[in-house]
Amino acid sequence: EVQLVESGGGLVQPGGSLRLSCAASGFTFSSYSMNWVRQAPGKGLEWVSYISSSSSTIYYADSVKGRFTISRDNAKNSLYLQMNSLRDEDTAVYYCARDQAYCGGDCYYGMDVWGQGTTVTVSS
Amino acid sequence: QSALTQPASVSGSPGQSITISCTGTSSDVGGYNYVSWYQQHPGKAPKLMIYEVSNRPSGVPDRFSGSKSGNTASLTISGLQAEDEADYYCSSYTSSSTPYVVFGGGTKLTVL
Repeated sequence: EVQLVESGGGLVQPGGSLRLSCAASGFTFSSYSMNWVRQAPGKGLEWVSYISSSSSTIYYADSVKGRFTISRDNAKNSLYLQMNSLRDEDTAVYYCARDQAYCGGDCYYGMDVWGQGTTVTVSS
Repeated sequence: QSALTQPASVSGSPGQSITISCTGTSSDVGGYNYVSWYQQHPGKAPKLMIYEVSNRPSGVPDRFSGSKSGNTASLTISGLQAEDEADYYCSSYTSSSTPYVVFGGGTKLTVL
């Protein structure tokens, strides 16, 4: 079964750090680009970051650039999101999602596999 | 990085058809045929329903269809069913200063 499972969420104070993980199974992880997408409570989806299959291409949303770092370990079938200098507005459910087809970041065929999400709460 | 514009809510009766619009700019929706639509039920992860404007992944009923004209993409659901009640999000590739993907604000579909 194709599956993504996020972990690492929790409660953190403003200015703190957190590292999210996403474990992939049931498919050849190293062949797919991956994303982090978040959803604040009661709000819509917001794309956060993209990493190509070989980590050669990385993008960030303006809202997290300079504070978040995406990475992957293809040998461990895992995706990560290091989140530093966290703010109240980073409170959200964070999903990892697989790009349906690989095209290096200059095209988009949708995200066809999603995890169940992990909740990050930034509050004092 | 501005979100794509969707109506906050639409509604329809079982068996009817509804259309959800998604308006962007020439840097996203209008400039590329890379529009996707997602369905999200409460407390669940999003599900890909349409990609490349009008293509359906396997397993998505053909009641769901997509189209695009200029800077506006549309999702049409025909023969509405109770289980279609959900939030729907459009998304598009973008060549803006922060490239890759931008989402719409979401539309709540109510089946009356």
